[in-house]
Amino acid sequence: DAEITQSPRHKITETGRQVTLACHQTWNHNNMFWYRQDLGHGLRLIHYSYGVQDTNKGEVSDGYSVSRSNTEDLPLTLESAASSQTSVYFCASTNPEGTQYFGPGTRLTVL
Amino acid sequence: DQQVKQNSPSLSVQEGRISILNCDYTNSMFDYFLWYKKYPAEGPTFLISISSIKDKNEDGRFTVFLNKSAKHLSLHIVPSQPGDSAVYFCAASRNNAGNMLTFGGGTRLMVKP
Repeated sequence: DAEITQSPRHKITETGRQVTLACHQTWNHNNMFWYRQDLGHGLRLIHYSYGVQDTNKGEVSDGYSVSRSNTEDLPLTLESAASSQTSVYFCASTNPEGTQYFGPGTRLTVL
Repeated sequence: DQQVKQNSPSLSVQEGRISILNCDYTNSMFDYFLWYKKYPAEGPTFLISISSIKDKNEDGRFTVFLNKSAKHLSLHIVPSQPGDSAVYFCAASRNNAGNMLTFGGGTRLMVKP
C-alpha cells in the first residue's frame, strides 16, 4: 500500500546542532508539506513543495530549510537547533483532489 | 492573527449522543474545508471535507455543515462512540488543488461510555 513515512520518530539533540528529519511518500504526489504542532497553535506550516526543485516558505520557516531532489522525499533541516524548535513535526502530501495525508510525526526535543 | 479558529479547546459528550464541533474562519477566500482527527502519537487522519459550493456533506456518522455568510462550519458526529475520542482539527484552503491548509487550534473530544 502507498504510504507516507517519517524518520526518526523521536529525536533528542542539543542546541546548535544540525538536524534533518526525513519524509518519504510512495503515492507519487507532487505537493508535500511540513508542519509543526504545538499546544494551542494547532498545525503551522513550515515549508512546502509543489514538485521537484520547488520549495516555498510557510508561516514559520525561520531556522528551517527543505530540499526536493525527487518526488518521493522532502527532508526538513534545522540548520542550528534551538530550544524553541522542540515540537512534533508532521509531513504531509496532497492527492490531486486536494486532500492532505499525514505521516506519523517526529517528536523532536532540543536540549 | 488566526484565520481559522476553534474556540472550544475541549468537549465532553455521552456515548450515543451527538457531538458538535465548531470552527470559524475569517478569510473569505477560503473555499475548501476539511476536518481531521488525531489520536495521540499519530498523524492527523482525514475525516471529511466540504467545498464552498455546498452547505452540507455527509459520510456515515459524520456530517459537515458550512455557513458561508457566517464564515462558520461545524462537524456533527451522530451517534458518538468512545472510539471517537480524539483531537479534531478543522482546516481551510483557497482551493482544492493542493494548496496549503490553514488549521485551527483543535478541539479535544471525549466521549464517555
